[in-house]
Amino acid sequence: DIQMTQSPSTLSASVGDRVTISCRASQNISNSLAWYQQNPGKAPKLLIYKASTLEGGVPSRFSGGGSGTVFTLTISSLQPDDFVTYYCQQYHSYSRTFGQGTKVEIK
Amino acid sequence: QVQLQESGPGLVTPSETLSLTCTVSGGSISDNYWSWIRQPPGKGLEWIGYIYYSGNTNYNPSLRGRVTISVDVSKNRFSLKLRSVTAADTAMYYCARDQGTLRFLEWFGYFDLWGRGTLVTVSS
Repeated sequence: DIQMTQSPSTLSASVGDRVTISCRASQNISNSLAWYQQNPGKAPKLLIYKASTLEGGVPSRFSGGGSGTVFTLTISSLQPDDFVTYYCQQYHSYSRTFGQGTKVEIK
Repeated sequence: QVQLQESGPGLVTPSETLSLTCTVSGGSISDNYWSWIRQPPGKGLEWIGYIYYSGNTNYNPSLRGRVTISVDVSKNRFSLKLRSVTAADTAMYYCARDQGTLRFLEWFGYFDLWGRGTLVTVSS
């Protein structure tokens, strides 16, 4: 299995801050990476696929980057609804795997 | 628009079989690949397996041998069976639409539409 490691596990920030979450793959996955946002008690919501393509309806303050083994999710200006948990997921292997999650909390 | 709804027992006895169904509404099950994903309480996400309307499936190697995913095109739904469950199988189970690419007869995808999930507890 391809292992996905996110950092940090928890991120403390304020409304309006620019934040970046990292995701590292245990092997080259090209650009086969997706990012999800999960509110407590809700299903995950797709934000980005193919490492940097924004899903329809997702605010432009979200952006993704990277290729190979290192990827980032950036939120340019945190809004109150953004203080939730984010997951990366690789689909370079048919056996998809997720990162362990990054919780963004209010400082 | 397409919606997904999971259904099935919320409590399963250890060593028994967990059975869930995902009903697709607002669209045809034949249009996409579909997956099951689970999330133990307070933990991360684990992909279980996918299916196509033709019956083509693939499973997470860690669960292969215990899991079967099937499809009923006439009822526009697909199902999950997980055998010999233990407390470690207690989780929120989600069904999802699986978008991606076919390569070497395998599907490589991400999940653009999710059901609300159903909590399954394994306990006697």
